[in-house]
Amino acid sequence: DQQVKQNSPSLSVQEGRISILNCDYTNSMFDYFLWYKKYPAEGPTFLISISSIKDKNEDGRFTVFLNKSAKHLSLHIVPSQPGDSAVYFCAAFGESGSARQLTFGSGTQLTVLP
Amino acid sequence: ETGVTQSPTHLIKTRGQQVTLRCSSQSGHNTVSWYQQALGQGPQFIFQYYREEKNGRGNFPPRFSGLQFPNYSSELNVNALELDDSALYLCASSDRLGGYTFGSGTRLTVV
Repeated sequence: DQQVKQNSPSLSVQEGRISILNCDYTNSMFDYFLWYKKYPAEGPTFLISISSIKDKNEDGRFTVFLNKSAKHLSLHIVPSQPGDSAVYFCAAFGESGSARQLTFGSGTQLTVLP
Repeated sequence: ETGVTQSPTHLIKTRGQQVTLRCSSQSGHNTVSWYQQALGQGPQFIFQYYREEKNGRGNFPPRFSGLQFPNYSSELNVNALELDDSALYLCASSDRLGGYTFGSGTRLTVV
């Protein structure tokens, strides 16, 4: 039972254009959502987050949109740069016992072409 | 301020053996979470320790166990290794309400 889904395993975008990565979730108890970026041989690094009480959060070239009614969030990167090429994971905070655990999607490999 | 360090970085074990993976948490963090990332999948929650007590567990069999030490470093132990245990094991530290800092992971291969 995948509670966080990233249905696009890969995405290629031209440098300078917009990258849009999508994520769907099923658990309405999730209250905080995050995007992580992962390079090979490194752990995931935090990129941007959004609380469930907001619908948009922006940080430089990165913007996350949350549509609670559709249980959908997206990450926009504009303009895309070759250094943005990595695997992007969508994640959500929920409860497991007394722990707040992160539930991850399966990731989207973004390739930004020069 | 040091980050999260995991050891070893790579490991090859034989089916049926036991393995111990180690994680040192970031300075000031008292919570450690372990994740398993199989090839082509996202990280899956194994369990979490807060101040040496386990306070959450994912859907993993009892073969997966762990502990946290007074300095908040942590171990993940896996007994009776199976081929499907081959994965990247990630450790993340956090303070109780803060963001996670992930280590680079231990790549375990079971043959």
